[in-house]
Order: sequence, then structure tokens, then C-alpha cells
Amino acid sequence: AQTVTQSQPEMSVQEAETVTLSCTYDTSESDYYLFWYKQPPSRQMILVIRQEAYKQQNATENRFSVNFQKAAKSFSLKISDSQLGDAAMYFCAYRTYSGNTPLVFGKGTRLSVIA
Amino acid sequence: DAGVTQSPTHLIKTRGQQVTLRCSPKSGHDTVSWYQQALGQGPQFIFQYYEEEERQRGNFPDRFSGHQFPNYSSELNVNALLLGDSALYLCASRPTGGLSYEQYFGPGTRLTVT
Repeated sequence: AQTVTQSQPEMSVQEAETVTLSCTYDTSESDYYLFWYKQPPSRQMILVIRQEAYKQQNATENRFSVNFQKAAKSFSLKISDSQLGDAAMYFCAYRTYSGNTPLVFGKGTRLSVIA
Repeated sequence: DAGVTQSPTHLIKTRGQQVTLRCSPKSGHDTVSWYQQALGQGPQFIFQYYEEEERQRGNFPDRFSGHQFPNYSSELNVNALLLGDSALYLCASRPTGGLSYEQYFGPGTRLTVT
């Protein structure tokens, strides 16, 4: 079974600084998706960024970028120029590439942004 | 577009009771999944409905059941509630013929069992 591990229960960052959230996963599949979701206090789960395993290039979405290391099964999220609105729970998630399989989530990292 | 909607927002029940949670998927979506998110944990997959049938199920007991209606909306039913069922219940929808990564979440229903 696939598993996702987030080893940092809590992180904090100064406003305008950069922070990196870690995620490792375990799978025997070769094709899959990896995601970072943001869950603010409003509870709405929002997709931040996704990475297809077959792509070597790391995904980037504005201030958010990932470092995807397939061999090491590592998928970290870098947030640049942190803003107060970035404060939230961040979940790393995995799903297989084919079929209608469900998401497998990590336990999450609570990010605080200090003004 | 209203996105994925869930009702009610909050719910308080007593041990042993039964509860029904509701989800309306995003317009154009026909596949609905339910997740349970216990406090301090990541969401865990309960089951998925498509064409009014349960297609996949996670590691949850039979006390958890569901239904999907012809308009693609869905219900999650939990019988014989336990204290451990207290959690945020998230509904997610996606279009079956759409991109594999597309999945949109609702704001969840917070269930408290006393």
C-alpha cells in the first residue's frame, strides 16, 4: 500500500522569507501524481501544485515550487516570499496515474507566518 | 459555479445515533468521494460513488454507507456512532472523463459525537 509521510508537524516562517515543507512517500508504481494541498481555517482543501511522476522538470506555480526526487521518493514544497495568507495546514498527497484511485494523504504540516 | 457544497456545516450527535451527511458535486462532475479527517490527521478515503454505485472503498466498517442520486449528489450515512467518528467529513468530486488529477473538495461537515 502506498504511504505518505510528512515529518514536520509544524513550521514557521517570517513574512517575505522562504520555507520548505518536506514529504516522502512509498510506492511500487512507476506512474503517479503527487500533490500539495492547502487547508486554511475555512477547511476548504485547495490544490496548490501537482507533479506528474513521468516529468523530470519540477512543477512551479507562482511562489510555489517543488523539488521532486523520484529515486529518493521525496517531494518537498518551497514557498517563496511567504505571505500571511499562506498560513494553513499543508498536506502532501499521492495517487496512481491510471484509473479512478483515491488520494492518499500525509498527516500534514501546520505553517505559521510571522509578520 | 457553486463548486462542491456540503451540508450541514456542523453537527452534534450522541453515541449510538445515526447521521446523514450530504454533498452536491461541482457542476459537470459525476464522481463523488468521501474522506474522513480526524483532528490533527490527514484525510482518509472512505468510499467513492459513480453511476449511483459504490466503486471503491477504503478501510472503514460497514457502519459507513453511502448513496448517490441520479443528479450525482451523494449522502454519507454512519450508523451506531462512536466517539471516534468525530471528525471533519470531506466530499470531493471529479469528472470521470476529465483530467486524472482533477478533484475538487467541499468545505466539509464537522461531526462531533458526544
